[in-house]
Amino acid sequence: EIVLTQSPGTLSLSPGERATLSCRASQSVRSSYLAWYQQKTGQSPRLLIYGASSRATGIPDRFSGSGSGTDFTLTISRLEPEDFAVYYCQQYGDSPPYTFGQGTKLEIK
Amino acid sequence: QVQLVQSGAEVKKPGASVRVSCKASGYTFSAYFINWVRQAPGQGLEWVGWINPNSGVSHSAEKFQGSVTMTRDTSINTAYMELSGLRSDDTAVYYCARSLGDFPVYFDHWGQGILVTVSS
Repeated sequence: EIVLTQSPGTLSLSPGERATLSCRASQSVRSSYLAWYQQKTGQSPRLLIYGASSRATGIPDRFSGSGSGTDFTLTISRLEPEDFAVYYCQQYGDSPPYTFGQGTKLEIK
Repeated sequence: QVQLVQSGAEVKKPGASVRVSCKASGYTFSAYFINWVRQAPGQGLEWVGWINPNSGVSHSAEKFQGSVTMTRDTSINTAYMELSGLRSDDTAVYYCARSLGDFPVYFDHWGQGILVTVSS
């Protein structure tokens, strides 16, 4: 089972700033099969990125994903007030179970 | 538009079973897998398993094998998950989520979640 470790646990930034969230895998994720989700308090997760770098339908282009192997990054180029939430990475390159990171909370500074 | 609408909250005693549902609309039900993902209070996400609505074949994570049963009723576009032998650490929000198939398994639409509380 691939373990995903996200850092930092909490990131405090101001609107307009750039956010960089990290997801590190315990072993290489096959073919960059990694997704990112956003979850706001009391809501279901929302798919942002799949295949490490492809934006899901309707996701603004300020969200971008990169990385391969064991190191992946979600970047939000210019934070909007609605972007403050918890972000999870998920790998699906290995056989089940499909595992998630523990999450990064992005909070307003 | 794609919608996954789940049944209401449940409260169960330890050792009991619970069955939750997920009704799909806005797309061809048999063309996508339904997955179940749970989230304990204040915790992260955990994949439980998936069902292929077309065939009825299901697959669950090893820790849930023997305790989870996934079924579907294609006549009403609804998937079900039954969890038996409930324990207090099964208290969680259970989400259904759609994936393209058994590969790739990422989740492009989610239900609103069902809180299952296990308490004596």
